[in-house]
Amino acid sequence: EVQLVESGGGLVQPGRSLKLSCLASGFTFSNYGMNWIRQAPGKGLEWVASISSSSSYIYYADTVKGRFTISRDNAKNTLYLQMTSLRSEDTALYYCARWGTGRSPDYWGQGVMVTVSS
Amino acid sequence: DVVMTQTPPSLSVAIGQSVSISCKSSQSLVYSDGKTYLHWLLQSPGQSPKLLIYQVSNLGSGVPDRFSGTGSQKDFTLKISRVEAEDLGVYYCVQATHFPPLTFGSGTKLEIK
Repeated sequence: EVQLVESGGGLVQPGRSLKLSCLASGFTFSNYGMNWIRQAPGKGLEWVASISSSSSYIYYADTVKGRFTISRDNAKNTLYLQMTSLRSEDTALYYCARWGTGRSPDYWGQGVMVTVSS
Repeated sequence: DVVMTQTPPSLSVAIGQSVSISCKSSQSLVYSDGKTYLHWLLQSPGQSPKLLIYQVSNLGSGVPDRFSGTGSQKDFTLKISRVEAEDLGVYYCVQATHFPPLTFGSGTKLEIK
């Protein structure tokens, strides 16, 4: 069974940093690209960043480019999102999602909440 | 960036009825390989999104065949036949043809009468 479990969220002041993790199991992690997708409270889904299976290709949304860094450790089956210079508008539930069949985000974690507030 | 427009924003249906949700894109979603990377997700209340349909019309894992997807180019439809109580939630279309970015529709909230 595919499982994605996010961790590392919490309350952080504006301008500070936070690192999210996503532990994958139930599939060969090193064979799949991965995504971070977020959802602000009461809002829709917003793509944040993607990374290919071997980390060769990395992409960011314009809203986080230069502030967030996506990475992965295939030996640890873990995806990361390093977030710096956090803003109030980064407050959201952050999901990791697998790049699956037909370029679809086919499996999602339960999400981890990040709240940016003073 | 490609803009995905979903309609209606919400709808209320009785158990057993059928319903359709529309998703229109600002550009054709046919990729250079001839495939169309348009998918549908369901976010049930308090849950993370789940893949329902990928590449316009292919059912995701474990998805009942009451769900079906059609469309081409810029115009797509998700149909739910014989709605059940467990179908309530917010439905999103998402395109991966013109990635990056991955872009989502604004969602359609399905309520059960």
